[in-house]
Amino acid sequence: LAKTTQPISMDSYEGQEVNITCSHNNIATNDYITWYQQFPSQGPRFIIQGYKTKVTNEVASLFIPADRKSSTLSLPRVSLSDTAVYYCLVGDGLRGYSTLTFGKGTMLLVSP
Amino acid sequence: GAVVSQHPSWVICKSGTSVKIECRSLDFQATTMFWYRQFPKQSLMLMATSNEGSKATYEQGVEKDKFLINHASLTLSTLTVTSAHPEDSSFYICSAPMDRVNNSPLHFGNGTRLTVT
Repeated sequence: LAKTTQPISMDSYEGQEVNITCSHNNIATNDYITWYQQFPSQGPRFIIQGYKTKVTNEVASLFIPADRKSSTLSLPRVSLSDTAVYYCLVGDGLRGYSTLTFGKGTMLLVSP
Repeated sequence: GAVVSQHPSWVICKSGTSVKIECRSLDFQATTMFWYRQFPKQSLMLMATSNEGSKATYEQGVEKDKFLINHASLTLSTLTVTSAHPEDSSFYICSAPMDRVNNSPLHFGNGTRLTVT
């Protein structure tokens, strides 16, 4: 399974753009990259998924360089409610689903 | 949109008793569901894969006789913690794939906080 490395924590202020980078040097050809957000005492929530280049949805963008050994989750204009833990997962596809293994995640703290 | 509903959201039980947690997929069918456990300030740990109509698949180190999983229908999986002990106190979360294609992301329930006294 591809292992992911993320910063343990990040701090930001309201209105700023936040970029969280995840390293996955051993990503396999069939692997997708998936990001989840988790608030305390809640289950994770899917944010975005991508395979290469750039993916954008209504809440975030995901940038993936050509070698796919890393990816960056970009949150535009964060608010206090974006304070949460963000997990980067890399799928192995062997189970037929996106990877089920969570790493330690990045605790994002947004201040006023 | 599709949602995974988990019940109860919290439960307190005495040591030695059993607790059942339900996980339902709303508005979609889930032939496979996943059960996770999360201790305070730690990440999610996959416990088992629940398969509709067949036996669950447990991760290494998870006791199948202690954590009984039943997936009797396409919308319901249950996790029963048998003979619970204080060390079983944790946050239990279920999930189901959003669709049946490879690399499908997961819908997660809101979790069940189990406290064993």
